[in-house]
Amino acid sequence: AQTIHQWPVAEIKAVGSPLSLGCTIKGKSSPNLYWYWQATGGTLQQLFYSITVGQVESVVQLNLSASRPKDDQFILSTEKLLLSHSGFYLCAWSHRDWGSSYEQYFGPGTRLTVL
Amino acid sequence: QEKVQQSPESLIVPEGAMVSLNCSFSDSASQSIWWYQQHPGKGPKALISIFSNGNKKEGRLTVYLNRASLHVSLHIKDSQPSDSAVYLCAVSSNTNKVVFGTGTRLQVLP
Repeated sequence: AQTIHQWPVAEIKAVGSPLSLGCTIKGKSSPNLYWYWQATGGTLQQLFYSITVGQVESVVQLNLSASRPKDDQFILSTEKLLLSHSGFYLCAWSHRDWGSSYEQYFGPGTRLTVL
Repeated sequence: QEKVQQSPESLIVPEGAMVSLNCSFSDSASQSIWWYQQHPGKGPKALISIFSNGNKKEGRLTVYLNRASLHVSLHIKDSQPSDSAVYLCAVSSNTNKVVFGTGTRLQVLP
């Protein structure tokens, strides 16, 4: 069975500090990977997607970057946090052959508070 | 840019009621529509999807898609308190981009 882990579970950071959030998928080779952001009470917004190692496509610019260093790992980062980065960050995967038109499996999320 | 709107914003119903949730989208070329359920502080979980005009039933869930009117609806029969959650409509294209709707918060009272 496939499992998806995100770390950390929650983070409190200062404005201007760097950030790195991680996501790992076990039990599934060559998945499509996605990063989403959800402001408190807001809409779930797709940030990035990746269909293969080393390749990441940006969907919306929020002064964040993403990388896929391994087949099963997706990293979200920024060198300088803004207050507007606060929210709930979710990683998801889908079967590569089917793409985003098919079911996405979400991780438990990381709650980020920027002060 | 695809836009996805959901209605109503929130809904309170008694246990056993039929629940109807609506979703309107803007791109007629959208490939698939998914409905997700999200509990507070958790990641969304997929419930049911539809690709072609018409309807699809799975258990207590029925989804209807009308591509001409760019509208999809989800109906939950015999609602239970455990159905209380936020319901999200998600529209996908063939470019790996997914647009989620604004969500409907459902509360089912025992």
